[in-house]
Amino acid sequence: DVKVTQSSRYLVKRTGEKVFLECVQDMDHENMFWYRQDPGLGLRLIYFSYDVKMKEKGDIPEGYSVSREKKERFSLILESASTNQTSMYLCASSFGQAEDGYTFGSGTRLTVV
Amino acid sequence: AQSVTQLDSHVSVSEGTPVLLRCNYSSSYSPSLFWYVQHPNKGLQLLLKYTSAATLVKGINGFEAEFKKSETSFHLTKPSAHMSDAAEYFCVVSAVYSSASKIIFGSGTRLSIRP
Repeated sequence: DVKVTQSSRYLVKRTGEKVFLECVQDMDHENMFWYRQDPGLGLRLIYFSYDVKMKEKGDIPEGYSVSREKKERFSLILESASTNQTSMYLCASSFGQAEDGYTFGSGTRLTVV
Repeated sequence: AQSVTQLDSHVSVSEGTPVLLRCNYSSSYSPSLFWYVQHPNKGLQLLLKYTSAATLVKGINGFEAEFKKSETSFHLTKPSAHMSDAAEYFCVVSAVYSSASKIIFGSGTRLSIRP
């Protein structure tokens, strides 16, 4: 089975800190995604990457950046954390087109205080 | 443009009774449609998917969904609810976005099961 591993399950950070969320997948998937999940809003796409060093903005990229130096790893960076970035963050990966379905990590619940 | 609307934010049924979770979509193309499930404190798991083959799709755990183009719907059903079905369910439509496909999530339906 494909595994998508997010390094932290829970994180608490202070306002203004730089925050790194790490995601690793082990099946050589081309595409990787970062979503945030908020009650009543479902999942919203922050950034995605379809190849090493390639990235594209999703629907809500403001306040975030990403890094994909290796195919298996996709990092989400909060340049200066704010309280409105308190959320559940989900990483996903896929091989090829979206029709193949995505594999999700278990999520990182980030609280910014 | 693609979009998906889940018509109920919360559904509550008794154990052993049928489940119906409603989803309507909008798509400029022939869409691919999915249902994902998220159990508490777990990641999302693919339940089933429709990709322009049979309109009635069977998934895991006894769930199925029917693609109805005339109604632009993809409702999720199960004949008999089990306590373990309590979770959040997301209807998803695929889209083509720039140089990579992406999928668009509905806002979710929380399913509660009464004993």
